[in-house]
Amino acid sequence: AQKVTQAQTEISVVEKEDVTLDCVYETRDTTYYLFWYKQPPSGELVFLIRRNSFDEQNEISGRYSWNFQKSTSSFNFTITASQVVDSAVYFCALTSRGKGAGNMLTFGGGTRLMVKP
Amino acid sequence: EPEVTQTPSHQVTQMGQEVILRCVPISNHLYFYWYRQILGQKVEFLVSFYNNEISEKSEIFDDQFSVERPDGSNFTLKIRSTKLEDSAMYFCASGAQGHTQYFGPGTRLTVL
Repeated sequence: AQKVTQAQTEISVVEKEDVTLDCVYETRDTTYYLFWYKQPPSGELVFLIRRNSFDEQNEISGRYSWNFQKSTSSFNFTITASQVVDSAVYFCALTSRGKGAGNMLTFGGGTRLMVKP
Repeated sequence: EPEVTQTPSHQVTQMGQEVILRCVPISNHLYFYWYRQILGQKVEFLVSFYNNEISEKSEIFDDQFSVERPDGSNFTLKIRSTKLEDSAMYFCASGAQGHTQYFGPGTRLTVL
């Protein structure tokens, strides 16, 4: 069984602060994929990043960076110099090379990030 | 940029009625999914669809639910007899070979 845990249910920061959202996952599969999605107040789910289990290189995209550590089964997401527009619920998700072509995503419970001006 | 679309954005129905939620996946994608999110909770997988058949489904996806790809573009989720607990946001997603799933804006279903 797969499981994704986002221990932080809610984080509040002041604009320009850096913030890290934690994600811990469990899977028995050796090949798997990790994702982060953003859900702004408007409700849609916006894809941010995918990481493959065989690629532990960290990634930076503008103010966003991701730290993947297989040894601790974590895939943390850092926003540098946060902005009010970053306010959203962020979901970490996991899928593995499962049976057939299912590829179901298992989501964490989400972290609500509030960035205050 | 291509995107997944869903209609309607909000559906209100009476308990026991049938509803059909519609989705138009990204045109060259081959994998299709439905998820739901009860208000304030996590996103839960319902079903995946590939090559014109269900490839995986969750325990939530019982006999009251069905999916169909009636033509080359639409992907529908039918709930045969809605219950109060079916009230949720329903998301359609599609993907190519690379495992990344792109989500539509969702349909908010309210069952009264």
